[in-house]
Formats: sequence, C-alpha cells, structure tokens
Amino acid sequence: DTGVSQDPRHKITKRGQNVTFRCDPISEHNRLYWYRQTLGQGPEFLTYFQNEAQLEKSRLLSDRFSAERPKGSFSTLEIQRTEQGDSAMYLCGIGGYTFGSGTRLTVV
Amino acid sequence: AQSVTQLGSHVSVSEGALVLLRCNYSSSVPPYLFWYVQYPNQGLQLLLKYTSAATLVKGINGFEAEFKKSETSFHLTKPSAHMSDAAEYFCAVSDSGGATNKLIFGTGTLLAVQP
Repeated sequence: DTGVSQDPRHKITKRGQNVTFRCDPISEHNRLYWYRQTLGQGPEFLTYFQNEAQLEKSRLLSDRFSAERPKGSFSTLEIQRTEQGDSAMYLCGIGGYTFGSGTRLTVV
Repeated sequence: AQSVTQLGSHVSVSEGALVLLRCNYSSSVPPYLFWYVQYPNQGLQLLLKYTSAATLVKGINGFEAEFKKSETSFHLTKPSAHMSDAAEYFCAVSDSGGATNKLIFGTGTLLAVQP
C-alpha cells in the first residue's frame, strides 16, 4: 500500500484520442504532484497542487494537458489529442515524496 | 537551481557483494535528498531520505546513504546484494528553497545482481 491509488494502471489509446487519469490519496494531503517518466529517464515534474489550487505548471505541460483537484482530494490529469510522444508513465505524488504505482500510457 | 547526477547508468554486482550507487547533487540551498527504487512497470518506492538531520541515513531493505556536503554527494550503499535488489534506482533532490518542494530526479542507475 503506497498511500496513493492511481487509475488506470495501464492505458492504450489511439493517437488523437483524449485520456484521463485519476489519482486518489488514501489519506488527506494538502500537497499533490504529477510527474511524467519516459522510457529510460527519471521522472520529470509536471504540476503541483496545494489543496485545490494549482500553483505551478512545468513547461512540459502543453496546452493539451490539464489537471484538476476539485475539493483538494483526488486529482485528474487529462491529455487531449494524444500524440505518440505522450507515451510515458504518469506518476502521482503526495506530501512531497510518496508516490503511487503510476499509469502507463501507450499511444499507438 | 537544483540538479543531481548519477554516475553509471548500469551497475552489475555479484550476489553478496557490496552495492555502491553514486549520486552527486548541485543545490544553491541546503538540500533534501532522496533515493528511490523502481521495479519494472511499478511506481517509485522511497528507500531513504536526508532532511538535514543525521548525515548517515538508514533506509529500508538494508540500504543506507551518507550525505557529504564537502563532496556534494549522497551515495547509496548496501553491504550485501540480494537478487531481489535488481531494479532501477533514482536519486532526487528537493527544491527545498522554493515554494513547491518538487523533486528533481537523476537519470537512474540500473542495478543487476549476478548469481
């Protein structure tokens, strides 16, 4: 039990489709992070929430990406018009250093 | 800005041998440092963290790391490798001087353990 549940674990989608991932902290945490990890690389920061407020977004987060955290609990990350370059593991972190199991996205 | 460098993208040891994975950091403020392990198609599991208390940090699964400010290093060690230690290991520094405390990761070291 990592303290963070991510859904789905795996997602295969066709190029151009929209996808949405969900992150559910098991206990309350005011800080929530999204990271992206491409094959053979370390995770890279995407965005950060303090409660429901999105306080920082990386330049990696193009306008096709949007993240929300309504009510400061679970969070969603949506990618519109997916591209093959979006294929990666998307990791949700809470409290600064605890991570979920991630969602592996494959765009075909 | 903070950064980490992991020396050696691949390390191979024999079962029972010493494990040494190297990490050097760069930070303009006192750093918080972390080591994570990642098994294939899994998330990141925290092994240990340094947050400005004791410089020798003990973690899970027999791993430990020593913070050396003079060398800007935070190398990970384990006295005796097990087959189950085969995985990818990431060193990370926290942006402790900023508002978000986001993590900046190295590129990882893949550890192979030979029988």
